[in-house]
Amino acid sequence: GENVEQHPSTLSVQEGDSAVIKCTYSDSASNYFPWYKQELGKRPQLIIDIRSNVGEKKDQRIAVTLNKTAKHFSLHITETQPEDSAVYFCAASRSGNNDMRFGAGTRLTVKP
Amino acid sequence: GAGVSQTPSNKVTEKGKYVELRCDPISGHTALYWYRQSLGQGPEFLIYFQGTGAADDSGLPNDRFFAVRPEGSVSTLKIQRTERGDSAVYLCASSLGQLNTEAFFGQGTRLTVV
Repeated sequence: GENVEQHPSTLSVQEGDSAVIKCTYSDSASNYFPWYKQELGKRPQLIIDIRSNVGEKKDQRIAVTLNKTAKHFSLHITETQPEDSAVYFCAASRSGNNDMRFGAGTRLTVKP
Repeated sequence: GAGVSQTPSNKVTEKGKYVELRCDPISGHTALYWYRQSLGQGPEFLIYFQGTGAADDSGLPNDRFFAVRPEGSVSTLKIQRTERGDSAVYLCASSLGQLNTEAFFGQGTRLTVV
């Protein structure tokens, strides 16, 4: 089955700096890659997703890049703010299966 | 309802007891997922339903775990002979069931086995 690895496990940045979180996946048939943000004690919520037919997607301060050849995808957050502090999870799934497998998460801390 | 609802929000049970965790998905969502999340970890896939049938139950850790979705809406995760290692937050999510669509999570049920 699919195996998703995520790095780093923790990341601390100064407010205004950029943060990058990277994930790799094992199933070359995976074609949907969502990113979820989970604040303490709350449910995971989708912040951005990318499908395999594009290499990059951007939504304001958040962007995701996908390299299908290398089987890795990354989350980029620019101009970080304290409210970006949370745990971020990447995931991968493939058509016909639709179950998502998650990475272990990255705890992002944005210091004011 | 407006979102995915899970009950109870917290459950404390004694080792060896049986528990049921309930998930009410968003109306119209045909896909339903159960995940288990331990402290500091990502959600661990347990089982996925498409309609009434379990399309993939490969994540269930052993035969003490079972899930049903008899009418294609509400789902119940059942754990027999609970063990302390079962303690975790059990998350349910639902989606439209079309290929590659967003999954919406419930708040989870925090299960503590003492």
